[in-house]
Amino acid sequence: NAGVTQTPKFQVLKTGQSMTLQCAQDMNHNSMYWYRQDPGMGLRLIYYSASEGTTDKGEVPNGYNVSRLNKREFSLRLESAAPSQTSVYFCASSEASAGAMELYEQYFGPGTRLTVT
Amino acid sequence: SQQGEEDPQALSIQEGENATMNCSYKTSINNLQWYRQNSGRGLVHLILIRSNEREKHSGRLRVTLDTSKKSSSLLITASRAADTASYFCATALYTGGFKTIFGAGTRLFVKA
Repeated sequence: NAGVTQTPKFQVLKTGQSMTLQCAQDMNHNSMYWYRQDPGMGLRLIYYSASEGTTDKGEVPNGYNVSRLNKREFSLRLESAAPSQTSVYFCASSEASAGAMELYEQYFGPGTRLTVT
Repeated sequence: SQQGEEDPQALSIQEGENATMNCSYKTSINNLQWYRQNSGRGLVHLILIRSNEREKHSGRLRVTLDTSKKSSSLLITASRAADTASYFCATALYTGGFKTIFGAGTRLFVKA
């Protein structure tokens, strides 16, 4: 099992350019997440998807869009990149029990290092 | 604002010593999780403690949870240089899906 994979690993964009970060998991998890991590900081949730076909905003959704393409894949799109979006982006997946209202451990990808000049 | 807040922000100890990190949160939780991040890598899950548990052990890790004080602590005993990493606590708010919140982390440096 590959776990959670992310592409690309590194990317440099000019202000105003667009790009899509790809994420895929092979653990059959229902829930998937996109986070950003700025230097010396914790992770901030951008968007999450509780199950295939649903997406919701996290703490810092402005400037981003997401697509839950199928159960395996969850992509993050920057339509018009800004220097403030320079960060490391992590995708994660997990199981959750809505009935028990309990979130289980998250599995993280290796991250995408994005620089916007 | 972030729900989980860790302290200290940074901790430097000698190999063999114990390291204690604390986490505070603001709302009710079903569980609290601790993660570790080596420099430049993704996070790795360490341990999950449920709201009805007070203490949990996993190898050299000991986690406590005090729901009345909305706080948790992570103790790493007999630390090793390989424990050098950042440690984060995480909680989740259920709003139809789980909105996860991570603290800013404690950066642990273990000197050999």
